[in-house]
Amino acid sequence: ETGVTQTPRHLVMGMTNKKSLKCEQHLGHNAMYWYKQSAKKPLELMFVYNFKEQTENNSVPSRFSPECPNSSHLFLHLHTLQPEDSALYLCASKPQGDGYNEQFFGPGTRLTVL
Amino acid sequence: GENVEQHPSTLSVQEGDSAVIKCTYSDSASNYFPWYKQELGKRPQLIIDIRSNVGEKKDQRIAVTLNKTAKHFSLHITETQPEDSAVYFCAARSAGGTSYGKLTFGQGTILTVHP
Repeated sequence: ETGVTQTPRHLVMGMTNKKSLKCEQHLGHNAMYWYKQSAKKPLELMFVYNFKEQTENNSVPSRFSPECPNSSHLFLHLHTLQPEDSALYLCASKPQGDGYNEQFFGPGTRLTVL
Repeated sequence: GENVEQHPSTLSVQEGDSAVIKCTYSDSASNYFPWYKQELGKRPQLIIDIRSNVGEKKDQRIAVTLNKTAKHFSLHITETQPEDSAVYFCAARSAGGTSYGKLTFGQGTILTVHP
């Protein structure tokens, strides 16, 4: 599927590693999101970027650091993570404007922290 | 902030039966309510949504109803098929949110349709 892509699809890292997740959308959208999906918990919004500007940080620990160099790309930089950070990390995007509501999700990155 | 509760957490039905999933929300200013379906190992995808100025919306076998007074909305799937088996998430967007559309999601319902 095209639209919103995420790499890598799977990542295993130690607690002292530094890694980055990448999200790319080819839909011309201007709003991009990072979500965390853990087992038996609702999708948790982490960050929101609107026209490359961060407009929401949902009390996320500083070991997660987002970056949005342009409207098409979104990164999540990871360092000194904890085992409880293991989850599926989903990126989503949406056109700007109140008339556009659907968020388009990427396939996610399955992260395992050892 | 908005809080969304979703029930049941698991739902098992026989093929051909109907399935109903219910959600409640806390913020009376919320004005948009989407439902997403997530098949195993796949991304969530929007299946139906409703705005607060509409009480019911239907799309073939799926329908959503909204009761603004009681602050709850429901997903109805009729004539269920095995391919309907998935996790279903409801969500709500506060009207106070900006146009970038912050959604608050429910906990999800695992629907299993037995042939």
